[in-house]
Amino acid sequence: DAGITQSPRHKVTETGTPVTLRCHQTENHRYMYWYRQDPGHGLRLIHYSYGVKDTDKGEVSDGYSVSRSKTEDFLLTLESATSSQTSVYFCAISTGTRSAEQYFGPGTRLTVT
Amino acid sequence: TQLLEQSPQFLSIQEGENLTVYCNSSSVFSSLQWYRQEPGEGPVLLVTVVTGGEVKKLKRLTFQFGDARKDSSLHITAAQPGDTGLYLCAGARTSGSRLTFGEGTQLTVNP
Repeated sequence: DAGITQSPRHKVTETGTPVTLRCHQTENHRYMYWYRQDPGHGLRLIHYSYGVKDTDKGEVSDGYSVSRSKTEDFLLTLESATSSQTSVYFCAISTGTRSAEQYFGPGTRLTVT
Repeated sequence: TQLLEQSPQFLSIQEGENLTVYCNSSSVFSSLQWYRQEPGEGPVLLVTVVTGGEVKKLKRLTFQFGDARKDSSLHITAAQPGDTGLYLCAGARTSGSRLTFGEGTQLTVNP
């Protein structure tokens, strides 16, 4: 199994508060991704990183920001959480080869009340 | 716009039956992956196909990539309760790029 951990695994927060989710890898993979998974929508890409300090937006990036100051850590921040951001968040890593295989963390279940 | 359409969305069968899940698109992909996800866990990669017409077998699971690299199928022979889970297909347009995921097929195999 790829060495990917996410923290926290569960979080309940109130509308309007900032929230940061952390993804940590021990594989030294170049690419890291943040997805959210919601019923009826599958996995949707929020942001991704192709190197330290190199990030780009995905299809549902509004309301989210990311940072990657070290190869092993990729942080996802909700600046002011809203109820529509209640979801399960997954981090994934990839070497970025032609096959683009991704390996996923265990997920963080976030509830915004 | 959903670029990858999976069908069926839900499938409930009895142990021992065969089944096929489809993943279709109007776009060409450089590679396509299949993942399985169990409740409370992240998706786990099953297989990657990269060549048009490619067929890969993983025990009772057979994966096929369409000749035009726009579609794929997953066939399970003699399904077992342990095969229960959400099956996701995902396509990559170019190397090192983002994956586009289908919405998934929820498979339930009843004993």
